Amino acid sequence: GQNIDQPTEMTATEGAIVQINCTYQTSGFNGLFWYQQHAGEAPTFLSYNVLDGLEEKGRFSSFLSRSKGYSYLLLKELQMKDSASYLCAVEGNAGKSTFGDGTTLTVKP
Amino acid sequence: DAGVTQSPTHLIKTRGQHVTLRCSPISGHKSVSWYQQVLGQGPQFIFQYYEKEERGRGNFPDRFSARQFPNYSSELNVNALLLGDSALYLCASSLGTSGAQETQYFGPGTRLLVL
Repeated sequence: GQNIDQPTEMTATEGAIVQINCTYQTSGFNGLFWYQQHAGEAPTFLSYNVLDGLEEKGRFSSFLSRSKGYSYLLLKELQMKDSASYLCAVEGNAGKSTFGDGTTLTVKP
Repeated sequence: DAGVTQSPTHLIKTRGQHVTLRCSPISGHKSVSWYQQVLGQGPQFIFQYYEKEERGRGNFPDRFSARQFPNYSSELNVNALLLGDSALYLCASSLGTSGAQETQYFGPGTRLLVL
């Protein structure tokens, strides 16, 4: 079966750093993706990890440990516009992508 | 370049009816996936099509079917609609089906309400 866990909600202050964790148990693994979804909008791609380690892209970084079934998304220098839901997704076997239920991040001034 | 487009944007149906949702992928993308997203949850995988062949299917009943056309556009069909089918239906396209080519680009979705 497929199972992805991430915290339901997080709150952080503008300018701060926040780490959103994701743990997964899947029957296959071909890569892990992070997406951002603003309320009422479609998800947009943030990052992709297939090998262990840290991938950095501007203010956003994503880490993967395949042996631990663990990933995190790190957001630096938080801005108000970063308030959104962050979705962790695993690409498994036979083209099946499994998404977590998302972490709703609220950035406060 | 145009992104993924979906039609219609909103739809209201009654129980037992049939619905067809349409999706056009980004130019050059050969893979289309369909997802159902209920409020407060992540997208649930329904189908993936690549080069007009079904490549993956999620845990949805046979009332759900899809197809991909030679121009890589796709349709999702749902028969015998139930109240629980009310959701946002997302279409996503990708270049391919492995590695970074699996990066999906989502359309704006079709919001379906079943009364």
